[in-house]
Amino acid sequence: AQKVTQAQTEISVVEKEDVTLDCVYETRDTTYYLFWYKQPPSGELVFLIRRNSFDEQNEISGRYSWNFQKSTSSFNFTITASQVVDSAVYFCALSEQVRSQGNLIFGKGTKLSVKP
Amino acid sequence: DAGVIQSPRHEVTEMGQEVTLRCKPISGHNSLFWYRQTMMRGLELLIYFNNNVPIDDSGMPEDRFSAKMPNASFSTLKIQPSEPRDSAVYFCASSLTGATNSPLHFGNGTRLTVT
Repeated sequence: AQKVTQAQTEISVVEKEDVTLDCVYETRDTTYYLFWYKQPPSGELVFLIRRNSFDEQNEISGRYSWNFQKSTSSFNFTITASQVVDSAVYFCALSEQVRSQGNLIFGKGTKLSVKP
Repeated sequence: DAGVIQSPRHEVTEMGQEVTLRCKPISGHNSLFWYRQTMMRGLELLIYFNNNVPIDDSGMPEDRFSAKMPNASFSTLKIQPSEPRDSAVYFCASSLTGATNSPLHFGNGTRLTVT
């Protein structure tokens, strides 16, 4: 079974639409960390956010917001008023305390296309 | 600050040849990771080092793959002999402490094509 599931393979929206990228994770660890990374067409992986398992507060950074819910094992990512520059593949990742230091387990990614 | 630096950006080689990928982590980071990205399998961890010592190499697919970290500022991933199924993008990443909460900072990757 996948530890990190991003069920949406591809999403296409028109500029200025809001879009939510889903992430569901699986772990038996009580201490763990969740991450989101962005991979634009140029190919690099850019760190966006880290959240620890004890902090369920939602976070907002500009047009980006993250909703962490332990009850549903989800860590969803919302982009408000999407822009063409948001077009990228977005990866959700899990790091477990018990498994090994710092080793990220990645989901398969969601490809977001924002049309002008 | 310079990020993680990988070279080369692109590598095209023939089956059977030796390939060496290089990585310079961010200065001061003490953990280094090698990942491979393919369409079929996504991002997979190959090996990681902490303080230049290999900690977990269970992701290395075969004996044809080897990785070294002779010092804190340099690592190599070698494939010998290379095969077409090794074609992928190889990422190097480093983190400050290697702890579970320490974000990984990735290089731009090396796109390897084995014909």
